[in-house]
Amino acid sequence: DAGVIQSPRHEVTEMGQEVTLRCKPISGHNSLFWYRQTMMRGLELLIYFNNNVPIDDSGMPEDRFSAKMPNASFSTLKIQPSEPRDSAVYFCASSPANEQFFGPGTRLTVL
Amino acid sequence: QQQVKQSPQSLIVQKGGISIINCAYENTAFDYFPWYQQFPGKGPALLIAIRPDVSEKKEGRFTISFNKSAKQFSLHIMDSQPGDSATYFCAASKGAQKLVFGQGTRLTINP
Repeated sequence: DAGVIQSPRHEVTEMGQEVTLRCKPISGHNSLFWYRQTMMRGLELLIYFNNNVPIDDSGMPEDRFSAKMPNASFSTLKIQPSEPRDSAVYFCASSPANEQFFGPGTRLTVL
Repeated sequence: QQQVKQSPQSLIVQKGGISIINCAYENTAFDYFPWYQQFPGKGPALLIAIRPDVSEKKEGRFTISFNKSAKQFSLHIMDSQPGDSATYFCAASKGAQKLVFGQGTRLTINP
């Protein structure tokens, strides 16, 4: 099993640009989570899905952030427009029940 | 009430020693307490987890001690090895879905 796949691994963009982060969860896992990790705020849950349905998006910082899960094998996190304070590592995780399996993350830098 | 407080922020232990990391929580509804290990450039990986119906869980050199009345739990790493050098995160949730993470402890094992 390839594990959770995230792309791109690194993204550098300029302020105001749209950024789309992608995630392919582990096959058979019915829950998917998006996290953001920064030195200041640590690991924060942004949103999670069960069976492709968004359950809790209370961690999404602003309306500039949106997430979709069109099918069981794909999810996106979009930031539009991006700002320098969005610079962070974004992790996607999937879970069959209790244990969450994290992907390698996308390091986003917004200049 | 959703916070999980973790200490210390950093820890240096000699090879063969015992590493101890502590966490405290406020929300008495939490019923799942995992510890995650993260190496540089990687996503967090589940190390060990406990439910509040037991006071201790051991897996190899790793032990979680849980004190429900004090709302505290800790990770003990016995016979610490240089390969254990990583950042460790405690977390808590109700139902294992919406994890709230501690701020992390950077552990260094000196050879």
